[in-house]
Amino acid sequence: IVLTQSPATLSFSPGERATLSCRASQSVTTKLAWYQHRPGQAPRLLIYDVSNRATGIPARFSGSGSGTDFTLTISSLEPEDSAVYYCQQRADWLTFGGGTKVEIK
Amino acid sequence: EVQLVESGGGLVKPGGSLRLSCEASGFTFNNAWMSWVRQAPGKGLEWVGRIKSKTDGGTSDFAAPVKGRFTISRDDSKNSLYLQMNSLKTEDTGVYYCTRYCSSASCFHYFDYWGQGSLVTVSS
Repeated sequence: IVLTQSPATLSFSPGERATLSCRASQSVTTKLAWYQHRPGQAPRLLIYDVSNRATGIPARFSGSGSGTDFTLTISSLEPEDSAVYYCQQRADWLTFGGGTKVEIK
Repeated sequence: EVQLVESGGGLVKPGGSLRLSCEASGFTFNNAWMSWVRQAPGKGLEWVGRIKSKTDGGTSDFAAPVKGRFTISRDDSKNSLYLQMNSLKTEDTGVYYCTRYCSSASCFHYFDYWGQGSLVTVSS
């Protein structure tokens, strides 16, 4: 299953709302997660099974979607949210999307 | 605190071999399914393979690009995970992350802890 994330880069100001997209080549039902990867750090699990926040993840991160189209929303961006965000499916083995880089200026 | 620390990366020629290690702490390692995920320069994340806990059979599975060339093993007495990479190709170059499958049934098959990564460069 191929996961396509678009666009490749998004730029925002602090406090703005970000909406990131992940599209699957075939249905993954609700078996999709989102990760945050800051430069020089280990990736961090944000959301699993579309909309469940992982332990310690702030409420400003939320996920939605089903089947082939998914969205990660960051309601009010903070400077530390600058990172690359990846989606990952577990419906058919494991694959990741190509990532969306979020820049905050 | 859960920690995963990789080691063993470096420069190797095409066709060569390399073994990565991952030392785990802060959780019951022998109960955990573990995995390796890599990232080629300028590219996204790619799942490499996994090993189940011995309780669940201890078997391993691999992504198609590395099947037959890479093996994963574990030494539960040392809380350690290994990735043996043989017949390396230039396209195997990247940062290799040791990851833990989420321990909760609700988030299984996602990765809740990652190491900092170990750089492998395959070049002549």
